[in-house]
This record gives sequence, C-alpha cells and structure tokens, in this order.
Amino acid sequence: AQSVTQLGSHVSVSEGALVLLRCNYSSSVPPYLFWYVQYPNQGLQLLLKYTTGATLVKGINGFEAEFKKSETSFHLTKPSAHMSDAAEYFCAVSPSGNEKLTFGTGTRLTIIP
Amino acid sequence: DAGVTQSPTHLIKTRGQQVTLRCSPKSGHDTVSWYQQALGQGPQFIFQYYEEEERQRGNFPDRFSGHQFPNYSSELNVNALLLGDSALYLCASSLGGWNIQYFGAGTRLSVL
Repeated sequence: AQSVTQLGSHVSVSEGALVLLRCNYSSSVPPYLFWYVQYPNQGLQLLLKYTTGATLVKGINGFEAEFKKSETSFHLTKPSAHMSDAAEYFCAVSPSGNEKLTFGTGTRLTIIP
Repeated sequence: DAGVTQSPTHLIKTRGQQVTLRCSPKSGHDTVSWYQQALGQGPQFIFQYYEEEERQRGNFPDRFSGHQFPNYSSELNVNALLLGDSALYLCASSLGGWNIQYFGAGTRLSVL
C-alpha cells in the first residue's frame, strides 16, 4: 500500500523567504507524485506532478519539487514566498499512475508580512 | 470552458437521513472520482466512475453509493447518515481514468 507523510501541519515563512514543504512517500512500485494546493473554500488545484524522467519538476506559481528516490522524498520549494501563497498544500501518491490518489494530511502555509 | 462543478455548496442533514450530491465534470472528461475530506485531513478516495460503472472503490461502507450518467455527470449518495459523515465532499474529473484530476470546490455536508 502506498502512503505519504507530510512533516509539519503548519509552516510559517516571511514574505520573500524560501518556502520548503516536506513530503515523504511509501510505495511498493515506482510512484507518481503530486502536489496540490487548496485555497479557502475552494477545491484542489494541481501545482505539479512527477511521473517518470527528470527528477526536478517545475510547476505553476514558481513552485518546484525534486523526486529523490534514495530519500523517498518529494519536497516542494519556492525561492521567494508571496502573500498569495498562503493556503493548504497536499502531497499525493499514485502507484504507477493507474490507481487512486492517496493524500497526505496537508500543510497549512502562512506568510508573514 | 467550465471546470468541475458541484452542487449544492452546503448541506445540512440530520442523522439517519439520506443525501445526494452532484458533480458535472470538466468539459471533455469522462471519469469522475469522489473524495471525502474531513476537517483537518487530506482527501480520502471514495470511488471512481468510468463508462457509467464503478471502477475502483476506497475503504468506505456500502452506505456510500454512486452513479454516472451518459453525459458523464455523477451523483454520490449517502444513506443512514452518521455524525462522522460530516465533511467536504470533493469531485474530481479526468480523461480516461487516472490521468490528471481536476477538482471541484466541493460540497460541505454537516450532519447534526
């Protein structure tokens, strides 16, 4: 069975600072990995995904994530935080992309002015 | 191009009642998946509908059932509601199964 663990249910960073949201996965087969963002009272929006190939994945809104098989990690980063980045972020895994998404419990990102 | 739309946005029910939630997929999509997101938790997969059939199911009791119509829209039905069914119910659509899923804004169900 696959699972993801998001370290830190709440993360606060100053505007302009580096954003780092952590995600570790467990999967018995090569995983497909995703980061979604959820703004208040909205559904989930796909930020980026890793399937195969290049391990550094670039997404929307300046976010990127790096797949590290040796560390079973897929951390999300952004060089400079904006106020508009305040939201809930979810990491998700799907075995080989042909099965359901399994989500982590989410990380709420707060941006300090 | 309309995205995934869900109705209603909010719903209040009492224990033991039945509820139906509706979802219209993104234009061109043929697959609908339903998720339950409890407060403070990540979404949990309920089931997926493709070609009007339930193709995969998560760990949810039979009280949760669904339907997909020929126009690919879908309904989620929950019978004999429990307090623990209070959650945000998300619908996601995709093309041809487990490709990129696009989510609606959800229906918030409160069971009193």
